[in-house]
Amino acid sequence: DTGVSQNPRHKITKRGQNVTFRCDPISEHNRLYWYRQTLGQGPEFLTYFQNEAQLEKSRLLSDRFSAERPKGSFSTLEIQRTEQGDSAMYLCASSRTGQTYNEQFFGPGTRLTVL
Amino acid sequence: SQELEQSPQSLIVQEGKNLTINCTSSKTLYGLYWYKQKYGEGLIFLMMLQKGGEEKSHEKITAKLDEKKQQSSLHITASQPSHAGIYLCGADYTGANSKLTFGKGITLSVRP
Repeated sequence: DTGVSQNPRHKITKRGQNVTFRCDPISEHNRLYWYRQTLGQGPEFLTYFQNEAQLEKSRLLSDRFSAERPKGSFSTLEIQRTEQGDSAMYLCASSRTGQTYNEQFFGPGTRLTVL
Repeated sequence: SQELEQSPQSLIVQEGKNLTINCTSSKTLYGLYWYKQKYGEGLIFLMMLQKGGEEKSHEKITAKLDEKKQQSSLHITASQPSHAGIYLCGADYTGANSKLTFGKGITLSVRP
């Protein structure tokens, strides 16, 4: 059984560059979430998908951020014109609807450093 | 202001000691989730509580939910170095089983 995987694990970029992260959820999970975590803070919700539909986006998700889940399987999160404030750990999680409670399984995260 | 307050901020205990950490919500909870995180890694699900007075245990970890206080406690019995990490509580405030709102986390260190 493979859990949630994320690639790359680390990304260092220069301010102003675009970056893209990928998340592969657990295969039978139809929901996929993106969170952002900065040092000393808990994860903050960014957006989530049910199948290929993006159902909710946080106000944290500025217009420089875009997420997709084109076939309802893997998802990508793109950040355009990165800023130093974008430096954080980007976490992906997945879950399955129809459960009594929403246990979200998290990936190992992608750590972004913007120089 | 923070919707979920976790206390204490950090904790250092001697191996073998018991400990309790807390998570208090300023809003009505539909569900309260406990996760553990090793530094720089993803979150590992521990337990979920939904009903007032509910109590769940897994190995040496017990979590309770006090609906009146909108507070959850997590108790570890006979702590071990493997219990060290960051404990995060996450709240479902929507009842839609979707996004979670997390507290800042509690860093636990266990001295051998």
